[in-house]
Amino acid sequence: KAGVTQTPRYLIKTRGQQVTLSCSPISGHRSVSWYQQTPGQGLQFLFEYFSETQRNKGNFPGRFSGRQFSNSRSEMNVSTLELGDSALYLCASRAETGGIYEQYFGPGTRLTVT
Amino acid sequence: GENVEQHPSTLSVQEGDSAVIKCTYSDSASNYFPWYKQELGKRPQLIIDIRSNVGEKKDQRIAVTLNKTAKHFSLHITETQPEDSAVYFCAAKRKSEYGNKLVFGAGTILRVKS
Repeated sequence: KAGVTQTPRYLIKTRGQQVTLSCSPISGHRSVSWYQQTPGQGLQFLFEYFSETQRNKGNFPGRFSGRQFSNSRSEMNVSTLELGDSALYLCASRAETGGIYEQYFGPGTRLTVT
Repeated sequence: GENVEQHPSTLSVQEGDSAVIKCTYSDSASNYFPWYKQELGKRPQLIIDIRSNVGEKKDQRIAVTLNKTAKHFSLHITETQPEDSAVYFCAAKRKSEYGNKLVFGAGTILRVKS
């Protein structure tokens, strides 16, 4: 099976702009989670989608939003970008069926806000 | 909510020595504990995991132990090699009314000196 893919891989935006990141999960995986990773901050959980519904949410401002489509692909949107939003954004997918818990990460989108 | 503490934050070992990273979790309902390895510039990779009905699991040079009573689990790497140098993250999964959620530790930077 193909792994989790994310597009674009790199992105440079200006403060105040908005950005949309895309994630395609492993075929058959219905859960997609998003994480923000900055140096020294580990993996900060943004939100999780399952069957097109947001199921869990982390402690991020409302400028961060997401959605999931019927084919389980997910998008994440950040509006009114701030310099502090510069980070590696990772998505991860897992099956959520049959007692299979393993979660696999995509390569990430490196966002730079100038 | 679930909280995962990971120690140490950095660990330096000589090639050939063993390395141990420890994590504690707060929610006794947690039932799945994966470990991820993230090399510089790459995505986190699932390297080993353990479920709450098992006390120990081994895979070649790596092993994970779980103490449910004390609510802690550990990653053991034997005969360390330079390619083991990376950031290691532990995580704990708990089932909630909102589905399964993985909570990550802050990460451990492992440096293997040759």
